[in-house]
Amino acid sequence: KQEVTQIPAALSVPEGENLVLNCSFTDSAIYNLQWFRQDPGKGLTSLLLIQSSQREQTSGRLNASLDKSSGRSTLYIAASQPGDSATYLCAVRSVGNQFYFGTGTSLTVIP
Amino acid sequence: NAGVTQTPKFQVLKTGQSMTLQCAQDMNHNSMYWYRQDPGMGLRLIYYSASEGTTDKGEVPNGYNVSRLNKREFSLRLESAAPSQTSVYFCASRDGSSYNEQFFGPGTRLTVL
Repeated sequence: KQEVTQIPAALSVPEGENLVLNCSFTDSAIYNLQWFRQDPGKGLTSLLLIQSSQREQTSGRLNASLDKSSGRSTLYIAASQPGDSATYLCAVRSVGNQFYFGTGTSLTVIP
Repeated sequence: NAGVTQTPKFQVLKTGQSMTLQCAQDMNHNSMYWYRQDPGMGLRLIYYSASEGTTDKGEVPNGYNVSRLNKREFSLRLESAAPSQTSVYFCASRDGSSYNEQFFGPGTRLTVL
């Protein structure tokens, strides 16, 4: 069974800092990996989707990388802003139609 | 486009009561999913439907049933609610292609007393 881990569970940084969130998974047989943002009491908003054949994807200040062989993905956020404060979740799509989520990293950006 | 909608937003049940959570999407997606989110556990897949007329069990299906009513709608039923089913329930949909992302609804907060 696929296990997805996100470390750290919580992170607090001053505004303007660049930061990296980590996601690791145990089974490298994946179709893709997706990063989400979740605000308190809300649903999940898709940020980036990386296919298993890709190494990275970029959207604005966000850059996600994937190293399938080592079972790792990182989400890089440049020039963090208070509005980036949220919980960030990664999810992998394994063989079949099953998705497995990490427990998330709670990010606080201090003004 | 409303995207993925869920009703109700909140619900309180007593142990043993039944209820159905409704989910609808207007993106013409083939695949639909039901997840539960619990503190410290992340999101766990309950059931999914790869296409209209098909449903499959996910990681935690016990105590739940689903119906894919048509391409738009996918409902989750609790026949006899238990306190362990207190959770936030999310519905998601995805185009059936391997390359497409999931889109989530706003969630239903369910408390079972």
